[in-house]
Amino acid sequence: EAGVAQSPRYKIIEKRQSVAFWCNPISGHATLYWYQQILGQGPKLLIQFQNNGVVDDSQLPKDRFSAERLKGVDSTLKIQPAKLEDSAVYLCASSLVKGLTIYEQYFGPGTRLTVT
Amino acid sequence: GDSVTQMEGPVTLSEEAFLTINCTYTATGYPSLFWYVQYPGEGLQLLLKATKADDKGSNKGFEATYRKETTSFHLEKGSVQVSDSAVYFCALSRYGNKLVFGAGTILRVKS
Repeated sequence: EAGVAQSPRYKIIEKRQSVAFWCNPISGHATLYWYQQILGQGPKLLIQFQNNGVVDDSQLPKDRFSAERLKGVDSTLKIQPAKLEDSAVYLCASSLVKGLTIYEQYFGPGTRLTVT
Repeated sequence: GDSVTQMEGPVTLSEEAFLTINCTYTATGYPSLFWYVQYPGEGLQLLLKATKADDKGSNKGFEATYRKETTSFHLEKGSVQVSDSAVYFCALSRYGNKLVFGAGTILRVKS
């Protein structure tokens, strides 16, 4: 079974530029998550989708971050404009849903973003 | 809100030593508890989990018991190997929704 795929793996941009990350979840996983992991900290949820609807985006900085999951499969996370403090690893995860039960989350390898 | 606190690292042990990494949580109700591991250059992997009080999760020689009375989920292993060197994250989740992670504990095992 293929895992969660993310691209690119690394990205370096200057502040005020824009950047986009892509995630392809495990086939059949209805729930998709984007986490931000700043160096030395645990991952923090940015946004959770179930199919193509948003479940939780309470910690997404909406003035500069946006995310979409148009067909309930792939997802894109965008930052525009980037700030120095956005330097982090962006993790995508997905999980299976059966009825009211959401199963364990599987993580992709992450995209390491450096903002200079 | 919900939170997880882990012991600070790095933790440095010799091979075959006993490992304990402390984890306590703050949450209302009965969250599920997890330990994730991140090996150098790799993504986060689920190590073990427990979904209710007194449950014991175990995998690869690691164990953790869900203690509701002390709100703890300490990770233990009887004999660590060099290959266990990694960053370990304690986390909680409600109803399968977002994971709330601790800051992580670096483990270094020397041969």
